[in-house]
Amino acid sequence: EPEVTQTPSHQVTQMGQEVILRCVPISNHLYFYWYRQILGQKVEFLVSFYNNEISEKSEIFDDQFSVERPDGSNFTLKIRSTKLEDSAMYFCASSSTVSNQPQHFGDGTRLSIL
Amino acid sequence: GQQVMQIPQYQHVQEGEDFTTYCNSSTTLSNIQWYKQRPGGHPVFLIQLVKSGEVKKQKRLTFQFGEAKKNSSLHITATQTTDVGTYFCAGSGGYNKLIFGAGTRLAVHP
Repeated sequence: EPEVTQTPSHQVTQMGQEVILRCVPISNHLYFYWYRQILGQKVEFLVSFYNNEISEKSEIFDDQFSVERPDGSNFTLKIRSTKLEDSAMYFCASSSTVSNQPQHFGDGTRLSIL
Repeated sequence: GQQVMQIPQYQHVQEGEDFTTYCNSSTTLSNIQWYKQRPGGHPVFLIQLVKSGEVKKQKRLTFQFGEAKKNSSLHITATQTTDVGTYFCAGSGGYNKLIFGAGTRLAVHP
C-alpha cells in the first residue's frame, strides 16, 4: 500500500537555526498538509496546500513557517528561526483528488530544539 | 474558532470490557473522521462518517454520527490488548483541514 514518507525521523537543531522537514506524499494525491503534535498533546493543523499554493493555515503557521513543493514529489516545511516551543512531532499528510477524503499520515519527524 | 472536544482523556479497562469515547464539535460538521495512534506512531485513518445519524461498524468497532452532525462516538466491544492506543476524532473544516479532538488514550489490562 502506498504511503507518505518523511525525513528525517529525528532532527536536533540549535535554537535560532533554520530547519527543513521533508515529505514525499502519496503519488496521486493532490492535497498536502502539515500537522504538529507536542508530546502528549493533540494533533494540531498547521497548513494545507493544493495546486501549488497554501489553501489554509492556522494561527500557529506564522511568518517563521513556509511550505514548498520544489518538484513533483517532495513537500517541505521550513522553520526559519526555530524556538524552543517548536519542539514537537511534525506529521505530513496527503489526501486524494476528491476533497474531504481520508488523510494519510507519514511516520513524522521528531524535532528537538536545544 | 471551531473546537472539537473529546472525552474521556484516559480509559483503563480489563481485557474483554467495552470502551467508548465521545466527541463533540462546537459547530456542525460536514463529516467526522476517526484515527488511531499507537504509542510512538502516527495517526492511522479508521473511518469517515458523513451522513446525519450514520452508524458504521468495523468488526468490534462501532462508529456513530449524531443527528445534528455535531457529535460522534466510537464504541469498542470486548477490548483486546491490540486495541491499545489513542483514539482521535477529527472534524473537517475548511479545505480538508482536520480539527482533532484531544484524544482518548486506551489502556487494556490483560
